[in-house]
Amino acid sequence: EIVMTQSPATLSVSPGERATLSCRTSQTVSTNLAWYQQKPGQAPRLLIYGASTRATGIPARFSGSGSGTEFTLTISSLQSEDFAVYYCQQYNNFPPWAFGQGTKVDIK
Amino acid sequence: EVQLVESGGGLVQPGGSLRLSCAASGFTFSSYNMNWVRQAPGRGLEWVSFINTRSSTIFYADSVRGRFTISRNNAKNSLYLQMNSLRVEDTAFYFCARDQTIRGLKDYWGQGTLVTVSS
Repeated sequence: EIVMTQSPATLSVSPGERATLSCRTSQTVSTNLAWYQQKPGQAPRLLIYGASTRATGIPARFSGSGSGTEFTLTISSLQSEDFAVYYCQQYNNFPPWAFGQGTKVDIK
Repeated sequence: EVQLVESGGGLVQPGGSLRLSCAASGFTFSSYNMNWVRQAPGRGLEWVSFINTRSSTIFYADSVRGRFTISRNNAKNSLYLQMNSLRVEDTAFYFCARDQTIRGLKDYWGQGTLVTVSS
């Protein structure tokens, strides 16, 4: 079973600044990794799949990179609507489909 | 527009049962594998169960195997989760989620239904 580790647990960022979130997997997942955004009271929304491909309608300020066991989600210039919790998920080895524990991006 | 709408949540005593439903619209339901994913209040996401398009392949998380049963009715565009022998630790929002790919990329999620297990 693959274990997902996200860091940091909380990231405090000012609007307009860059945010860099990390996800590490206990085994290689190739590029079969997705990032989701979740706001309070809402369902998760797919942001990135294939480690680096933006989902439909996702702004270009969101970018993903990495392969194997180390992945990064970058938000180039944080907007007010980007303050949320972000989860990574691997879909290379399953079941189970594992999620990271989340990184909360809040306002500095 | 893809829509997934869960229902059936509520308050139940430990040891009790509930049946969750997920109504799908805006896509050809019978062509997609489906899942249940849960989230305890204030916690992260936990995959619960998977069912393929023809109900011929089903998986469960270790935490629910033997107590939960996933099913679907393609004619009714609906996904179900029968939950028996409920425990306090099953308290969570339960989301249905569509798999975009055969590997299980979950592209659309419902808004969730809250299950509270408490005496």
